[in-house]
Amino acid sequence: DIQLTQAPSALSASVGDRVTIACRTSQSVSNYLNWYQHKPGQAPKLLIYSASNLETGVPSRFSGAGSGTHFTLTISGLQPEDFASYYCQQSISFPRTFGQGTKLEIK
Amino acid sequence: VQLVESGGALVEPGGSLRLSCVVSGAPMRNFVMNWVRQAPGKGLEWIADLRNGATTYHYADAVRGRFTISRDNAKNSVYLQMTSLRADDTALYYCVSTVLAIVPRFDHWGQGTMVSVSS
Repeated sequence: DIQLTQAPSALSASVGDRVTIACRTSQSVSNYLNWYQHKPGQAPKLLIYSASNLETGVPSRFSGAGSGTHFTLTISGLQPEDFASYYCQQSISFPRTFGQGTKLEIK
Repeated sequence: VQLVESGGALVEPGGSLRLSCVVSGAPMRNFVMNWVRQAPGKGLEWIADLRNGATTYHYADAVRGRFTISRDNAKNSVYLQMTSLRADDTALYYCVSTVLAIVPRFDHWGQGTMVSVSS
């Protein structure tokens, strides 16, 4: 199974900040890497697919980069609604696997 | 596209349960259907998927041999039959669709249905 490790596991930031979350995979996944946002009591939401493609309707302050085994999700200009948990996920092989999550909290 | 799960309940260890998910807004035949779960205080865990032809499926090791995913395109529904349930199956179970694309991704999610396994 491909293991995904996110860093950091938790992050405190302020509205307006730029934050970056890293995701490392245990073997190359090419660009088969997606990012999700999850708020308590809500369904997870797809933000970025294929490492760097913004899902329709997702604000442009979200961006993704990387390939192979190293990936990042960047939020430029944090908004109050962005405080949530974020997960990376690989879809190059089965089982589909997620990172352990990064909880983004208000400082 | 909207997905609505049902069937979650409190069940004793060793028991069985069947979850259902109804898809609306688009023909389900266009999607690969998945189940993803989240145990209390834990992260997301993919557990099963089923292709449109209903003959190609995959399972996570944690549920293989105990859970069965199935679908009825005519009813726009997908199911998860769960047997030999254990305490560590306690989780919120999400029904998730994947549009056919070069890089698969979990496009649409339901709100989840809660399964609790306890005596």
